[in-house]
Amino acid sequence: LAKTTQPISMDSYEGQEVNITCSHNNIATNDYITWYQQFPSQGPRFIIQGYKTKVTNEVASLFIPADRKSSTLSLPRVSLSDTAVYYCLVGDPLTDKLIFGTGTRLQVFP
Amino acid sequence: NAGVTQTPKFQVLKTGQSMTLQCAQDMNHEYMSWYRQDPGMGLRLIHYSVGAGITDQGEVPNGYNVSRSTTEDFPLRLLSAAPSQTSVYFCASRRPGGSSYEQYFGPGTRLTVT
Repeated sequence: LAKTTQPISMDSYEGQEVNITCSHNNIATNDYITWYQQFPSQGPRFIIQGYKTKVTNEVASLFIPADRKSSTLSLPRVSLSDTAVYYCLVGDPLTDKLIFGTGTRLQVFP
Repeated sequence: NAGVTQTPKFQVLKTGQSMTLQCAQDMNHEYMSWYRQDPGMGLRLIHYSVGAGITDQGEVPNGYNVSRSTTEDFPLRLLSAAPSQTSVYFCASRRPGGSSYEQYFGPGTRLTVT
């Protein structure tokens, strides 16, 4: 399983775009990149998943460069309710168990 | 469609006691897993199962047993509770096959061992 590295914490203000970068230098050919969000006292919630280039859904965008050694989760115009911990995971969905790292704690201020 | 359910929501045990945390899902997911989350920390995988009758160890399996007799249920047994097992326990399930890592989590069980 590829190890991931992400910042421990980030601060932002409402209305700003937030970009959280995850490093995964040892990503394998069959690995996908997945991001989860966790609010206090709740289980994690799937946000987005991608393999290469760019993926966008109603919540976020995921940018993956050609070498796939890193990825960036982009949250457009954050609000107070986006305050949460964000986890980056890398693995092969067909064979791998899901291993969570320490995550990035995002604090959004008014 | 209830998703992933866990019981109990809260539990206090004395050191040495045993108990079973229940987890059930009604989405016909073959893949199920158990995590623990200590205060201020990330989730750590305890055990997982890729289908009925098949289980495997995760990162921190010691002190826990699992079995998977049906697709719907995946109970976690604490054999002899220790204070170090005080944590929040999350159960999760995932769609079978495919290329998705989208896992659905239950609400968690908050366990305190005194």
